[in-house]
Amino acid sequence: AQTVTQSQPEMSVQEAETVTLSCTYDTSENNYYLFWYKQPPSRQMILVIRQEAYKQQNATENRFSVNFQKAAKSFSLKISDSQLGDTAMYFCAFMKLYRRGGAQKLVFGQGTRLTINP
Amino acid sequence: NAGVTQTPKFRILKIGQSMTLQCTQDMNHNYMYWYRQDPGMGLKLIYYSVGAGITDKGEVPNGYNVSRSTTEDFPLRLELAAPSQTSVYFCASRTTTGNSPLHFGNGTRLTVT
Repeated sequence: AQTVTQSQPEMSVQEAETVTLSCTYDTSENNYYLFWYKQPPSRQMILVIRQEAYKQQNATENRFSVNFQKAAKSFSLKISDSQLGDTAMYFCAFMKLYRRGGAQKLVFGQGTRLTINP
Repeated sequence: NAGVTQTPKFRILKIGQSMTLQCTQDMNHNYMYWYRQDPGMGLKLIYYSVGAGITDKGEVPNGYNVSRSTTEDFPLRLELAAPSQTSVYFCASRTTTGNSPLHFGNGTRLTVT
């Protein structure tokens, strides 16, 4: 079974700083997807960024980018120019790529609580 | 589109009571999921469904049941509530396209006392 580990339970940075959240996963699969979700105090789960394992290029979405190291099974999230609104729990998630008709389930890490200080 | 709608938002149950958490989506997604999130923890999969009439157990199914009679609805039933079921419950859906993300409801906070 796949597992996802986020080794940083909490992090805190000043506004405008850059912060990197770490995520490692364990799998024997070669094809899969990785996601970062954000959960602000409102409890809503919001997709931040996604990465296909077959793509070597790291995904970027505005101030959010990932460092995907497939051999090391590492998928870190970098937030540049952090803003107060980035304060949230961040979850890393893994999804195995099944053949057509197979069920696809996301496995989540334990989360990292990120606080952006003014 | 309303997306994924969960009701109720909050509920307090006494030990041994039963209830159904409702989930409906209007995006015509085939895949639907129920997750629970314990305080300070990640999400654990309870049950999932790949289409109407098809359901399967996830990581933590004990104490729960589901049904999927339509594409839109995926209710989660707790038969005999226990304090260990105190949690926030999220329903989610997605298309069958490879890297499509989960669309989440806003969650139901359940307390069993």
